[in-house]
Amino acid sequence: DQQVKQNSPSLSVQEGRISILNCDYTNSMFDYFLWYKKYPAEGPTFLISISSIKDKNEDGRFTVFLNKSAKHLSLHIVPSQPGDSAVYFCAASIGYGNKLVFGAGTILRVKS
Amino acid sequence: DSGVTQTPKHLITATGQRVTLRCSPRSGDLSVYWYQQSLDQGLQFLIHYYNGEERAKGNILERFSAQQFPDLHSELNLSSLELGDSALYFCASSGARDNSNYGYTFGSGTRLTVV
Repeated sequence: DQQVKQNSPSLSVQEGRISILNCDYTNSMFDYFLWYKKYPAEGPTFLISISSIKDKNEDGRFTVFLNKSAKHLSLHIVPSQPGDSAVYFCAASIGYGNKLVFGAGTILRVKS
Repeated sequence: DSGVTQTPKHLITATGQRVTLRCSPRSGDLSVYWYQQSLDQGLQFLIHYYNGEERAKGNILERFSAQQFPDLHSELNLSSLELGDSALYFCASSGARDNSNYGYTFGSGTRLTVV
């Protein structure tokens, strides 16, 4: 049972434009949501998180939106840069510090 | 360097064999998590250890086992290897609550190829 789903395997965006990566979840018990970025031959690195008490969290060019009623979150990257090209994983947990459940990832390509 | 060290980086072995993957967590972190990433798959949670004790188990096969030692390093043992066990195996560690990183730091992974 895939509790965290990233339905778009890949996304291609022009440099300077907005990248929007989407994630859906099924378990209403999840209360922490995170985005990780992964380059080839490296481990995932933390990007941004949001707890269920918020609906938006912003960090520089990265903004995560959470819609609890739709069980949906999205990551916006504005403006997109070629260095943002990577695999982006959405993850969720029940309670802080517990195991993370990951989506399958979305490959983002930012074209210059 | 994330501070989480995984060895070896690459491993090629034959079916039926047994291998051990090693993880040294970030200094001060008490928790170690193991994840498996197969081709085109997300990261699948295998097991979580906290200060030497097993805390949670995911979809870990009976052929796989793990432990965390008193010095907090962890080993993941994979036995009776099958072709389908070929994957990237990641270790992550976490410790005190750290909002800047959710306290979850990944190593660079071990790529296991079973031939």
